[in-house]
Amino acid sequence: GESVGLHLPTLSVQEGDNSIINCAYSNSASDYFIWYKQESGKGPQFIIDIRSNMDKRQGQRVTVLLNKTVKHLSLQIAATQPGDSAVYFCAEKRDNQGGKLIFGQGTELSVKP
Amino acid sequence: ETGVTQSPTHLIKTRGQQVTLRCSSQSGHNTVSWYQQALGQGPQFIFQYYREEENGRGNFPPRFSGLQFPNYSSELNVNALELDDSALYLCASISAGGDTQYFGPGTRLTVL
Repeated sequence: GESVGLHLPTLSVQEGDNSIINCAYSNSASDYFIWYKQESGKGPQFIIDIRSNMDKRQGQRVTVLLNKTVKHLSLQIAATQPGDSAVYFCAEKRDNQGGKLIFGQGTELSVKP
Repeated sequence: ETGVTQSPTHLIKTRGQQVTLRCSSQSGHNTVSWYQQALGQGPQFIFQYYREEENGRGNFPPRFSGLQFPNYSSELNVNALELDDSALYLCASISAGGDTQYFGPGTRLTVL
């Protein structure tokens, strides 16, 4: 069936540490993956994306890694800050399904000062 | 901010009523997708509009319908509201030829 799953529902880290949020996907035909951050009462905010022909992409303080062999996606946040506290969703898209993003359940990241 | 706006922010309806939610896409974005997000869940794809036509639909009944206008803004209509329709409704816009979907702040619908 369609699913993009997350390994952990909650993650608590100390301010300044690095955070790693993991995601498993079920369909090897997925072409595009994206991470969103969602703060309470707000819509999902784009963080970073990666296409299936890549295995790593870096942004500002964030890195996404894609391992197609084991169908695993991760988001790494460097020097985590209190403002990073939110729910993080991974999502996948298949090019033959138009704009349909399939989201996972989300991981709640809590940053302790 | 993404430049995607939605109205209203909050809405309360009763079972059986009908509701219309509105979305204005980011400038230059010609594709709009709608999602339903239940509390504690990830967003679920409802449908997508491109050039005023529906070109993809998720697992939602026909009482969920939509429109896209020549200026690329969009409406989501839900008829015969049910209690389970209570959720955050999100729209996202996509640039021509792009992949990234930029979300609006959502409309919180409560059905009593």
